[in-house]
Amino acid sequence: NAGVTQTPKFQVLKTGQSMTLQCAQDMNHEYMSWYRQDPGMGLRLIHYSVGAGITDQGEVPNGYNVSRSTTEDFPLRLLSAAPSQTSVYFCASGARRSGACNEQFFGPGTRLTVL
Amino acid sequence: DQQVKQNSPSLSVQEGRISILNCDYTNSMFDYFLWYKKYPAEGPTFLISISSIKDKNEDGRFTVFLNKSAKHLSLHIVPSQPGDSAVYFCAASATPVFYGGSQGNLIFGKGTKLSVKP
Repeated sequence: NAGVTQTPKFQVLKTGQSMTLQCAQDMNHEYMSWYRQDPGMGLRLIHYSVGAGITDQGEVPNGYNVSRSTTEDFPLRLLSAAPSQTSVYFCASGARRSGACNEQFFGPGTRLTVL
Repeated sequence: DQQVKQNSPSLSVQEGRISILNCDYTNSMFDYFLWYKKYPAEGPTFLISISSIKDKNEDGRFTVFLNKSAKHLSLHIVPSQPGDSAVYFCAASATPVFYGGSQGNLIFGKGTKLSVKP
């Protein structure tokens, strides 16, 4: 089991460029999510999905798009990068089960810099 | 307005002693609480959780206590080990995240950096 994988690990963009951060999980988890972490801050939810074909906005969705065509993949698209999107991005996944402990498994992160 | 607050940015403890990390929240609708541990350049790792029907949950060296009336939870690590040195995040939600909806959004605190000295 690779768990949650994210690519790339590092990325530098120029303002206005677009790109897609990739996230994949091999645990057959229904739930997947994207967070961003800024210096001295906690993680903030960008978008999430409770299953293939279903996505919804989190706390800070502006400037980002997601899609969930398969259970395994949950890419995050930056439409027109801005310096304010410089951050570390984490993808996470979790399984619905009784007890609902909310445990999520996080990927290693993508460090994005927008110049 | 921070809904989940970890007021101590850092904590230093001697190996073998108890580490107590604190977390306060303002939203009385929160019913699910989690602690995550994060090492540098890695993703957060789930540590332990508690729901509002309990006031204590134990898992090995880790115990989480919840005081709903005070809107306060704490994570106790006994005994502390150098490998426990990391940033610890407290997180909360009103409903299980897997049910979807904004009430399931996990709200994270800013974290407390724990240093366990040998």
